[in-house]
Amino acid sequence: AQTVTQSQPEMSVQEAETVTLSCTYDTSESDYYLFWYKQPPSRQMILVIRQEAYKQQNATENRFSVNFQKAAKSFSLKISDSQLGDAAMYFCAYRIMYSGGGADGLTFGKGTHLIIQP
Amino acid sequence: DVKVTQSSRYLVKRTGEKVFLECVQDMDHENMFWYRQDPGLGLRLIYFSYDVKMKEKGDIPEGYSVSREKKERFSLILESASTNQTSMYLCASSRGLAGGYARAYNEQFFGPGTRLTVL
Repeated sequence: AQTVTQSQPEMSVQEAETVTLSCTYDTSESDYYLFWYKQPPSRQMILVIRQEAYKQQNATENRFSVNFQKAAKSFSLKISDSQLGDAAMYFCAYRIMYSGGGADGLTFGKGTHLIIQP
Repeated sequence: DVKVTQSSRYLVKRTGEKVFLECVQDMDHENMFWYRQDPGLGLRLIYFSYDVKMKEKGDIPEGYSVSREKKERFSLILESASTNQTSMYLCASSRGLAGGYARAYNEQFFGPGTRLTVL
């Protein structure tokens, strides 16, 4: 079974600085997808960024980028120029590329609570 | 915009009651999911469905059942609610396309969640 580990229950960063959230995963598959979701206090889960395992290039979305190390099974999220609106729970998630049938759900980590200090 | 709605934001029920949590999506998505979220445990998949009347067990299906009679609606049922089912319940939906990799890639859109308390 796949597992996703987020070793930082809570992180704090000063506004405008850069912060990196860690995620490691365990899988025997070679083709899969990785995601970072954000859950602000409103509880609405929002997709931040996704990465295809077969792509060597790290995904970027504006101030958000990932450092994907396939051999190390590591998928960290870097947030540059942190803003107060970035305060939220961040979840790392994994999805096998092809399950062979149906639409399996995501496997989530336990989350990292990100605090932005003004 | 994709919209996934859940019938209640907060719900309080008594032990032994039958509880229905409803989820509706308006984007004609094939796939729908129910997750449970608990502090320190993240989100765990309860059940999912990839078509009308189709359902598959997730990681923690015990004590739950689901129903999908219409494409846009996916219901989670607690046959006899227990205190250990007090939790946040999140519904999600995603497109399903021919080809497994496309299904996997498709973003899951989440509802706002239902915080269920069982007394």
